Amino acid sequence: SQTIHQWPATLVQPVGSPLSLECTVEGTSNPNLYWYRQAAGRGLQLLFYSVGIGQISSEVPQNLSASRPQDRQFILSSKKLLLSDSGFYLCAWSPSVWSSYEQYFGPGTRLTVT
Amino acid sequence: LAKTTQPISMDSYEGQEVNITCSHNNIATNDYITWYQQFPSQGPRFIIQGYKTKVTNEVASLFIPADRKSSTLSLPRVSLSDTAVYYCLVGTGYNFNKFYFGSGTKLNVKP
Repeated sequence: SQTIHQWPATLVQPVGSPLSLECTVEGTSNPNLYWYRQAAGRGLQLLFYSVGIGQISSEVPQNLSASRPQDRQFILSSKKLLLSDSGFYLCAWSPSVWSSYEQYFGPGTRLTVT
Repeated sequence: LAKTTQPISMDSYEGQEVNITCSHNNIATNDYITWYQQFPSQGPRFIIQGYKTKVTNEVASLFIPADRKSSTLSLPRVSLSDTAVYYCLVGTGYNFNKFYFGSGTKLNVKP
């Protein structure tokens, strides 16, 4: 069966510090991968998605970046965090098929920028 | 891409059937309708997906009328643990990057 891992679970970082969140998927190959952010009480905002190694598409301009160094590894980074970067970050994967749509989410990382 | 409209919140009591309706007037021919459930501090969880008529699984039923401009998620005999946010999404795997979760419907189940 497939599993998705995210770490860390919680993170408190000062403004201006760097960020690195990691997501890994097990039990599947060539998944589509996604990074979402959810502000308190709000819906999910798609930040990045990837259809393959080294292929990253950004949905929202910001000071965040993403990388996919391996097939089942997705990393979210920032060189300098802003207060507005606080939120709940979720990684998700989906099979690379067109006939249906289903995403599987990780446990998330709660980021607080102080 | 089809946008969706859902009620912001709903209240129910334990043991009742809950129906959450989603409007998607601009749904395209190839679009599927998908519902997710999200508990606080967790990622959304897929509940059910359908294209037309009725789909049922162990968790819920999804009713889709012939014109497919709306859909209704039906949760039978809800319990306190069904308190969550429910999202309706419309689209296909081709345009997965454009799926919009929105704010969903906050279902509050009372004892």
